[in-house]
Amino acid sequence: DAGVIQSPRHEVTEMGQEVTLRCKPISGHNSLFWYRQTMMRGLELLIYFNNNVPIDDSGMPEDRFSAKMPNASFSTLKIQPSEPRDSAVYFCASSPETYEQYFGPGTRLTVT
Amino acid sequence: AQRVTQPEKLLSVFKGAPVELKCNYSYSGSPELFWYVQYSRQRLQLLLRHISRESIKGFTADLNKGETSFHLKKPFAQEEDSAMYYCALRVNTGFQKLVFGTGTRLLVSP
Repeated sequence: DAGVIQSPRHEVTEMGQEVTLRCKPISGHNSLFWYRQTMMRGLELLIYFNNNVPIDDSGMPEDRFSAKMPNASFSTLKIQPSEPRDSAVYFCASSPETYEQYFGPGTRLTVT
Repeated sequence: AQRVTQPEKLLSVFKGAPVELKCNYSYSGSPELFWYVQYSRQRLQLLLRHISRESIKGFTADLNKGETSFHLKKPFAQEEDSAMYYCALRVNTGFQKLVFGTGTRLLVSP
């Protein structure tokens, strides 16, 4: 079992460009979470889905951020346009009907 | 509002010394608390949760509702304990939403 899969692992882009981060949750898990990790703020929940439906997107910082989950095996987090302050590690996690969340390896985003 | 506070960004101890990573929470409901750990080059993973009241890798954590704390403790630190530790609060929304603290990096020196 490969666990939660995220791509790309590293992304370097210029300010103003569109960035798309991808996540494949563990098969059978019905909840999916997107987090952002920074030194200053730690782990922040951006949005989470249950059965492919967005439940809470109150953590999405602004309209430049959007997330979709078109099916149970795929989700995207898009930033358009990207800014230097978006530089962070973005984690995806999935969870079955239990308390434990299973994290992916993260995508390190650098916006120059 | 729900909040988890980890006051220390870095905790540095020597091997064999006791360790206590502090965590305080703010939540009006009945709290469920967890500790997650991220070792170098590994994924963030669950270490323990207060309901199970178990010891994992020598670590324990007791929920103190009076002090709204869930400190993580280990009597004798090992070098392999060096990692990033996050305290998390499960918010009872009917889904598995967790609120994380800002994390504490534990560095155990030989």
